[in-house]
Amino acid sequence: DIQMTQSPPSLSASVGDRITITCQASQDIRNRLNWYQQKPGKAPKPLIYDASKLEAGVPSRFSGSGSGTHFAFTISSLQPEDIATYYCHQYENFPRTYGQGTRLEIK
Amino acid sequence: EVQLVESGGGLVKPGGSLRLSCAASGIAFTDAWMSWVRQAPGKGLEWVGRIESETDGGTTVYAAPVKGRFTVSRDDSKNTLFLEMNSLSTEDTAMYYCTTLSYWGQGTLVTVSS
Repeated sequence: DIQMTQSPPSLSASVGDRITITCQASQDIRNRLNWYQQKPGKAPKPLIYDASKLEAGVPSRFSGSGSGTHFAFTISSLQPEDIATYYCHQYENFPRTYGQGTRLEIK
Repeated sequence: EVQLVESGGGLVKPGGSLRLSCAASGIAFTDAWMSWVRQAPGKGLEWVGRIESETDGGTTVYAAPVKGRFTVSRDDSKNTLFLEMNSLSTEDTAMYYCTTLSYWGQGTLVTVSS
């Protein structure tokens, strides 16, 4: 199975800050990576697919980068509504696997 | 508007069975590869299984913890995805989501408890 190591597990930042979450795959997954946002009590919301492509309707302050085994997810200017848990997800191989999640809080 | 609506969750005893449904609208369901993903209370996301479109062969793939106990199927005439769950244990307690990866339902809660 491909292990997805996501860091940090939690992050506290101020409104307007630039934040970055990283995800490392245990083997090459090319660009077959999603990033999801999940708010409490809600289903995950896809933000990024193919490592760097923005889903329709997602604000441009969200971005993704990377390929192979190292990936990053960035919010360029943190907004209060971005408080959530974020997950990376690989869909290169079965079983599909997820990172452990990053809980983002406002300072 | 795309909608995926799960149903069929509930309380079941260990060793019991349950069948979840996911009604899809607003998507070309017959062409969609569909997955089930679950999330235990307070935990992260766990992929459960996937079914290809019938056009592409309808092949199913499962996560190791559910293989042999869970079955993913689909009824394209009703735009509905199913998850048949047998030999349930307390470790299967979770919110179950159906998803195309780009679209997700709101989930249905399965609680396995005596």
